[in-house]
Amino acid sequence: DAGVIQSPRHEVTEMGQEVTLRCKPISGHDYLFWYRQTMMRGLELLIYFNNNVPIDDSGMPEDRFSAKMPNASFSTLKIQPSEPRDSAVYFCASSRQGTDTQYFGPGTRLTVL
Amino acid sequence: AQSVTQPDIHITVSEGASLELRCNYSYGATPYLFWYVQSPGQGLQLLLKYFSGDTLVQGIKGFEAEFKRSQSSFNLRKPSVHWSDAAEYFCAVGANSGYSTLTFGKGTMLLVSP
Repeated sequence: DAGVIQSPRHEVTEMGQEVTLRCKPISGHDYLFWYRQTMMRGLELLIYFNNNVPIDDSGMPEDRFSAKMPNASFSTLKIQPSEPRDSAVYFCASSRQGTDTQYFGPGTRLTVL
Repeated sequence: AQSVTQPDIHITVSEGASLELRCNYSYGATPYLFWYVQSPGQGLQLLLKYFSGDTLVQGIKGFEAEFKRSQSSFNLRKPSVHWSDAAEYFCAVGANSGYSTLTFGKGTMLLVSP
């Protein structure tokens, strides 16, 4: 099993640019989670999906953030426009059930200049 | 709502010494409990989990954790720490129902001294 795949691993962009982060969950997992990790705030849940449907997006910081899951094997997290305070590591995770073991991807380190 | 407290932000342990990382949770019923480890530049890796049954759970890399309902705790232990154990450790709690998901603690950074 390839595990959760995220791309890109590193992204450096300038303020105001659009950023798209990608995630491929483990095959057969029905839940997909997007997290953000910073030194100040730790690990924050942004949004999660069940069977490709967004269940809880209350962690999405503002309207500049959006997430989609067009099919069971692909999800995107988009930031438009990006700001320096969005700099963080963004993790994608998947699981078979909501409270079952979550398997994390390697993360995308985003730097917004 | 469920919550997790990891009271220690940093812990330093000498190599070969024993380790205990504290985790306290808040949840009304029997929770699902997890410990994850994050090495620098990596994602989170599951160390062990408790769903039910034996309250002493064995995990990978020689770690174990004990669920104590009376203390609402799920502390992580290792009898002899290796330098490669230096990492950040996260405790997480999940509710045994519906669309609930995991709540993670703030993490404890483990430093291992020679």
